Amino acid sequence: ETGVTQSPTHLIKTRGQQVTLRCSSQSGHNTVSWYQQALGQGPQFIFQYYREEENGRGNFPPRFSGLQFPNYSSELNVNALELDDSALYLCASSHQGQLNTEAFFGQGTRLTVV
Amino acid sequence: AQSVTQLGSHVSVSEGALVLLRCNYSSSVPPYLFWYVQYPNQGLQLLLKYTTGATLVKGINGFEAEFKKSETSFHLTKPSAHMSDAAEYFCAVSADTGNQFYFGTGTSLTVIP
Repeated sequence: ETGVTQSPTHLIKTRGQQVTLRCSSQSGHNTVSWYQQALGQGPQFIFQYYREEENGRGNFPPRFSGLQFPNYSSELNVNALELDDSALYLCASSHQGQLNTEAFFGQGTRLTVV
Repeated sequence: AQSVTQLGSHVSVSEGALVLLRCNYSSSVPPYLFWYVQYPNQGLQLLLKYTTGATLVKGINGFEAEFKKSETSFHLTKPSAHMSDAAEYFCAVSADTGNQFYFGTGTSLTVIP
């Protein structure tokens, strides 16, 4: 079991609503990355936060946004939810800039949009 | 740009048989390559990674992979499959140590008793 915790584990939202997912990074890690894993697919990189700033973004629209706090925990916010946003959302924490650092993944938040 | 192709979305092997999961990558820079395993309703666990140095990489649970630059491949192998190896396996590439991964679509491994 990693030290990365995500909350909630499951939630159901209605199309058009907004959602906030949370991630607590492993002790000693300063970077959090977020991934979307649709059913039967590999995880897709959404964005990464380092020192409270966005540090790289995948091919996701602006309604996907995030925050990183001084304690390195992070939030993923999705506005105007669409049915296709239904997926497992994974966060991964790591330590930026160290060769051979490992990224540790949380168990994910399963989001269902109806 | 980086990308990964995993050949075979489903692989079945008998218990005790060789496991071979295929991964080919595309990268505009020297890649860092990873294999992750995912059990049902869980996150991803690192099996092994290649960053620099020796091209044959050994990981956990008896898995290993060989980085072949000429073939742009990073296939995962295990000499003898165990029932507990049944899971989803993902190959991933990263351009640097920043851990921004680009994953393949995954290979579901079934182990037949």
